[in-house]
Amino acid sequence: NAGVMQNPRHLVRRRGQEARLRCSPMKGHSHVYWYRQLPEEGLKFMVYLQKENIIDESGMPKERFSAEFPKEGPSILRIQQVVRGDSAAYFCASSFLGLRTDTQYFGPGTRLTVL
Amino acid sequence: AQTVTQSQPEMSVQEAETVTLSCTYDTSESDYYLFWYKQPPSRQMILVIRQEAYKQQNATENRFSVNFQKAAKSFSLKISDSQLGDAAMYFCAYRFPGGGADGLTFGKGTHLIIQP
Repeated sequence: NAGVMQNPRHLVRRRGQEARLRCSPMKGHSHVYWYRQLPEEGLKFMVYLQKENIIDESGMPKERFSAEFPKEGPSILRIQQVVRGDSAAYFCASSFLGLRTDTQYFGPGTRLTVL
Repeated sequence: AQTVTQSQPEMSVQEAETVTLSCTYDTSESDYYLFWYKQPPSRQMILVIRQEAYKQQNATENRFSVNFQKAAKSFSLKISDSQLGDAAMYFCAYRFPGGGADGLTFGKGTHLIIQP
């Protein structure tokens, strides 16, 4: 019973490049959440998606960041023109129905380093 | 806005002893959910325990239990018979399932050290 999968685990980009982070939810889960963890901080919510829909992007920076969860394939968090301040660990979580009672299960995270 | 505060950046406990990690939160809601997550050096976030605010009974999972004080907005985690594998960052988290915000709100974490 595979858990939430994220890849790559580590990603290095130079300033100005694009970063693409992938998340495959647990089997049977159709709700995905993205979080960002800066050094020495807790996780901060970014965006909540269902298949083909963005439900809540209240934590997403207005520029350069986008997320999608297509009908087929993993959820993608895309960061365009990365800057040093984007260096962080990005975590994906999934839940079964997205109901208020659902527990979110986390992936191992992608550590992004911007040079 | 909801906030979660963990006032102990670091705690240390002897193996086999009991330790309590503190968490307070601020909310005007009455129906919400509280969680403790563990983040070991591998950085994987692991759910330790959850509590529904409408339940008066404190949640328990083996050696882990909570002291949920709704009026005081306090949600502490007690770890009994501490083991070396318990060493990790522990994050308290809050979720209010409404108002358009579906994500968890996390505290800054407590680094738990287990002394052999």
